[in-house]
Amino acid sequence: DIQMTQSPSSLSASVGDRVTITCRASQSISIYLNWYQQKPGKAPKLLIYAASSLQSGVPSRFSGSGSRTDFTLTISSLQPEDFATYYCQQSFSAPYTFGQGAKLEIK
Amino acid sequence: QVQLQESGPGLVKPSQTLSLTCTVSGDSISSDGYYWSWVRQHPGRGLEWIGNIYYSGSTSYNPSLKSRVTVSVDTSKNQFSLKLSSVTAADTAVYYCARYYPDRSTSCYFFDSWGQGSLVTVSA
Repeated sequence: DIQMTQSPSSLSASVGDRVTITCRASQSISIYLNWYQQKPGKAPKLLIYAASSLQSGVPSRFSGSGSRTDFTLTISSLQPEDFATYYCQQSFSAPYTFGQGAKLEIK
Repeated sequence: QVQLQESGPGLVKPSQTLSLTCTVSGDSISSDGYYWSWVRQHPGRGLEWIGNIYYSGSTSYNPSLKSRVTVSVDTSKNQFSLKLSSVTAADTAVYYCARYYPDRSTSCYFFDSWGQGSLVTVSA
């Protein structure tokens, strides 16, 4: 199985801050990397697919980059509604695995 | 706008079989080129892919659960289902159904639509 490791696992930030979350794959996955946002009691929501493509309807303050084993999710200017848990997920090969999550909290 | 809705018992006894159904609206489950999936989340934990099914009935499963999982599709009802046998307390989780959809330009698949989730508790 491909292991996905996110860092940090939790972070505190303020509204307006720029935040970066990283995701590392245990082997090369090309650009087959997706990012999701999950709020308590809700299903995950797709933000970014294929490492850097913004899902329709997602604000442009979200961006993704990377390839092979190292990926980043960046929020350029945090808004109050962005405080949530973020997961990366590889779709390179089954079983399709997720990172452990990065919980973004208000400072 | 595709919508997915899980249904099934919220409480299952140990050693019994967990059964859930996902009803799809706003899209045909028989559409070509994408899959229908089950994903679970243990309380306070991360996400775990369980398995996928294509409308033809072709399936793929997580090896960690493969011996206990069956995913099936009913195209006449626009539904797909999950059965997980011999459950234990470790199978207590929120179970999500989702659409596994491809980006045509990169062939990258992603879970783009999700049900609201169904909490299943395994307890006597």
